[in-house]
Amino acid sequence: SQQGEEDPQALSIQEGENATMNCSYKTSINNLQWYRQNSGRGLVHLILIRSNEREKHSGRLRVTLDTSKKSSSLLITASRAADTASYFCATDKGYSTLTFGKGTMLLVSP
Amino acid sequence: EAGVTQSPTHLIKTRGQQATLRCSPISGHTSVYWYQQALGLGLQFLLWYDEGEERNRGNFPPRFSGRQFPNYSSELNVNALELEDSALYLCASSLGGFQPQHFGDGTRLSIL
Repeated sequence: SQQGEEDPQALSIQEGENATMNCSYKTSINNLQWYRQNSGRGLVHLILIRSNEREKHSGRLRVTLDTSKKSSSLLITASRAADTASYFCATDKGYSTLTFGKGTMLLVSP
Repeated sequence: EAGVTQSPTHLIKTRGQQATLRCSPISGHTSVYWYQQALGLGLQFLLWYDEGEERNRGNFPPRFSGRQFPNYSSELNVNALELEDSALYLCASSLGGFQPQHFGDGTRLSIL
């Protein structure tokens, strides 16, 4: 079953703009992770945020976590065409297995 | 450092056959995970192996099985293939203990 639900399902922006994707989940978690997938290839790990953290940064990525609302957001600043991909949130409830959402397809146009 | 490698890249089988997919984890990683990404169903957890033992299993029938070898590489076996088994099968490895999982590029299994 899907734990996380990303919103929006698809997002189209211009290069240089910021992209924000949201993720909601249903049960308590140990951590939440964001992944990127390019065109049916493998997933690339972007960032992991633990349940006791509220915000984390990595380069142009900023992730927030609100455990009271069971939600997370991924912000990509100054987007590039190379950021075009599907983005997934995944929750780890503590059994070392991830439950993925259905993803947000991001299209960044030059 | 070499990433997670999976073989073959593509596999075409017919209904009722058996498929074997292989995965080599990142050096030093003891945990290996298998996921299925089928069209319309998203990414679903299949199996988790650690130190040679099956630690957890997703909601899949017993004809999905696997094993982990002493060198931590892993095989996923799917018996009595059905059309709905057509999917991208992704392997991931990690150090365990809530560490990030690192994925291979997957094996695309097509059932004719």
